[in-house]
Amino acid sequence: TQLLEQSPQFLSIQEGENLTVYCNSSSVFSSLQWYRQEPGEGPVLLVTVVTGGEVKKLKRLTFQFGDARKDSSLHITAAQPGDTGLYLCAVLILIQGAQKLVFGQGTRLTINP
Amino acid sequence: GAGVSQSPSNKVTEKGKDVELRCDPISGHTALYWYRQSLGQGLEFLIYFQGNSAPDKSGLPSDRFSAERTGGSVSTLTIQRTQQEDSAVYLCASSLAGGNSGNTIYFGEGSWLTVV
Repeated sequence: TQLLEQSPQFLSIQEGENLTVYCNSSSVFSSLQWYRQEPGEGPVLLVTVVTGGEVKKLKRLTFQFGDARKDSSLHITAAQPGDTGLYLCAVLILIQGAQKLVFGQGTRLTINP
Repeated sequence: GAGVSQSPSNKVTEKGKDVELRCDPISGHTALYWYRQSLGQGLEFLIYFQGNSAPDKSGLPSDRFSAERTGGSVSTLTIQRTQQEDSAVYLCASSLAGGNSGNTIYFGEGSWLTVV
């Protein structure tokens, strides 16, 4: 079973529409990160949320951390073709002295002009 | 360099051959990570280095996989006797220290491995 479940796995919408993608878990985390990955590149950090209920905005992107710190959402307003990419949530966990940045499976977003 | 550098960017190899993938982290970054990403999938954690030490190697898929880091800088991921299921993008990342301390983890562009 995945530590982080992302939904939907695929989303294709028209330019100008709004959308929300989700990252859910049954575990509680001290923080959660969102990354965007474009073809041929590595993931790039968008935001880190650390407080239950926290909302962070990055231009047209709004990130929310659940009150119980088990889930998060990413909302995009008036999507643009440049928003196309793979959106990944991730948490940093410490196991036996090793740090692991564990990713969800991602949401592959396509914005059609 | 300014970012995490990986080489080769693309590698096609025959089944059964050994391959070495190299990662040059950002200068001064003590933490280094290797991930594998199969086509259209998320990232699978392989191994983490703090300095030259890898406290947990359990993410490596089999004993054909090994990784080392020397001088607290460059790391090499070696896959012996490659199999077709090893085909994937291998991503390296680095950070100043552990990411838990709030340091951003930066990824390279990856090495695309195809085993034929």
